[in-house]
Amino acid sequence: KAGVTQTPRYLIKTRGQQVTLSCSPISGHRSVSWYQQTPGQGLQFLFEYFSETQRNKGNFPGRFSGRQFSNSRSEMNVSTLELGDSALYLCASSLNRGLDEQYFGPGTRLTVT
Amino acid sequence: SQQGEEDPQALSIQEGENATMNCSYKTSINNLQWYRQNSGRGLVHLILIRSNEREKHSGRLRVTLDTSKKSSSLLITASRAADTASYFCATDWGNDMRFGAGTRLTVKP
Repeated sequence: KAGVTQTPRYLIKTRGQQVTLSCSPISGHRSVSWYQQTPGQGLQFLFEYFSETQRNKGNFPGRFSGRQFSNSRSEMNVSTLELGDSALYLCASSLNRGLDEQYFGPGTRLTVT
Repeated sequence: SQQGEEDPQALSIQEGENATMNCSYKTSINNLQWYRQNSGRGLVHLILIRSNEREKHSGRLRVTLDTSKKSSSLLITASRAADTASYFCATDWGNDMRFGAGTRLTVKP
């Protein structure tokens, strides 16, 4: 079974721009969660999608949004990028709701200049 | 905010030695999980222990859970250089998962 894939792997953007990251979960997995990882804040939960609906959202501003498609693939979008948005963005999929074992993708390294 | 906190923050041992890292959390949980991350890459799930379990084994890994103390420990026996990584505990917090800051383990050959 193919693992979780994330595209792109690396991204450099300028302050004020917007960015879209993509995540393809493991086949059959219905839940996709997104996390932001930075040296200072560690791993922080962004949101979880299940059956095309956002089920939970972490403590992030409205500039961070996402969606899930009928095939469970998910995208997250960050608008009006700030320097502090530079981070590794990790996507994780799980069979059902995301409170059990999660399978993580390799991440997208976003650098905002 | 983080639900779990790992201790120590960093650990350095020789190959063949055992490594123990601890995780403390704040609120009641349904399950606790341990993950490993190599060099800023994606996380790999190691083991899940439910609140009604006290100990679980997987290969060279042993996890214990003490819900009365709100703590868990991960023991890696006979460590190898390939075990060098950051180890995170994760707990359910309401409807999402929260990760600790991690323990950075270095295994010297």
